Amino acid sequence: DGGITQSPKYLFRKEGQNVTLSCEQNLNHDAMYWYRQDPGQGLRLIYYSQIVNDFQKGDIAEGYSVSREKKESFPLTVTSAQKNPTAFYLCASSIDQPTDYGYTFGSGTRLTVV
Amino acid sequence: DAKTTQPTSMDCAEGRAANLPCNHSTISGNEYVYWYRQIHSQGPQYIIHGLKNNETNEMASLIITEDRKSSTLILPHATLRDTAVYYCIVRFDYKLSFGAGTTVTVRA
Repeated sequence: DGGITQSPKYLFRKEGQNVTLSCEQNLNHDAMYWYRQDPGQGLRLIYYSQIVNDFQKGDIAEGYSVSREKKESFPLTVTSAQKNPTAFYLCASSIDQPTDYGYTFGSGTRLTVV
Repeated sequence: DAKTTQPTSMDCAEGRAANLPCNHSTISGNEYVYWYRQIHSQGPQYIIHGLKNNETNEMASLIITEDRKSSTLILPHATLRDTAVYYCIVRFDYKLSFGAGTTVTVRA
């Protein structure tokens, strides 16, 4: 079945450490996205990529980095510069036409700083 | 992107229709209206989208006013599994902007 796989589901990080969240899709989608969600809040866009080897900052990119070396993969690194990294992180993908059904989301990674 | 306004929360009786309103008074002519829902601790799920005409699929119906300044998502026979946060979004290009949405609680 086609879909998006995020791993791990739960992640614990010590303060000062970098951590990388995985996102893989087999939908042949060109565009991929990372969102952050805090309790009781909507989703905020961190980074997005419309094509391999290219990505753009979203609304809250500070303290995060991404890469897009393969169409299928869009890993997110939460760096030590991110002051409040504890949150629910969601990855999504889409084709490039706004007339389609929009995004397909992964099941998320819950990151906790301990 | 046009901004949307939704009620913070609403209750619905199981088996009854749930009507979820959304205002998007600044929508542009080429922006689509999308609805997603998010069940607790899961990724959002696509429900339906439309541009001008009313739309229906196996999950819901979308009614868009003639001036396109507002829309209503209709869940025809709500079940307990429909309890979720529902997001109304307008979209033109790649990016989707999710607000706080409407928390819908279906009660037995």
